[in-house]
Amino acid sequence: GNSVTQMEGPVTLSEEAFLTINCTYTATGYPSLFWYVQYPGEGLQLLLKATKADDKGSNKGFEATYRKETTSFHLEKGSVQVSDSAVYFCALTPRDKIIFGKGTRLHILP
Amino acid sequence: EPEVTQTPSHQVTQMGQEVILRCVPISNHLYFYWYRQILGQKVEFLVSFYNNEISEKSEIFDDQFSVERPDGSNFTLKIRSTKLEDSAMYFCASSEARGHEQYFGPGTRLTVT
Repeated sequence: GNSVTQMEGPVTLSEEAFLTINCTYTATGYPSLFWYVQYPGEGLQLLLKATKADDKGSNKGFEATYRKETTSFHLEKGSVQVSDSAVYFCALTPRDKIIFGKGTRLHILP
Repeated sequence: EPEVTQTPSHQVTQMGQEVILRCVPISNHLYFYWYRQILGQKVEFLVSFYNNEISEKSEIFDDQFSVERPDGSNFTLKIRSTKLEDSAMYFCASSEARGHEQYFGPGTRLTVT
């Protein structure tokens, strides 16, 4: 079946630190992969996406590369800011519905 | 920029009562979805809806749940007889076509007491 596994949180970093949030998936076929972000008290926003192997999604300084050989889609950012504090969800869509990981809460300290 | 809207933002109800959660998808979108997020847990798919029919539903979406598009703009989720475990944030989403990006609403927090 289809599933997403992402690293447990919370993750606490200092401002300007390098961020990696690991995500691996299992899927039949060739799903599209996503990272969604949920800021405190708000809904889900699409952060970035990749639709095929070796694609790199990027937005707001965040990047993730669709790695078919390792079934991974790790989220990275070179220098985090306090405003990046949120919950990050890795997700895939094999066709229609979205399957989410459990989410990783990120705290950035000033 | 067009957005998905949901009402109410917070609904409190007693166990056994019926609730209707409302969503207004983006106007030219054809596919509609409901997801839920129990506090502190992951977001789970409930149901997808296209052409006035349910396309797919999860195990969670049992006979207590129903969806409807009563007019050209609204998309509703009804829970017939709420249980304590239905307390969650419910998100509506819509997309232009199957497999396209889904746009999420801000959610309705349902509290069942």
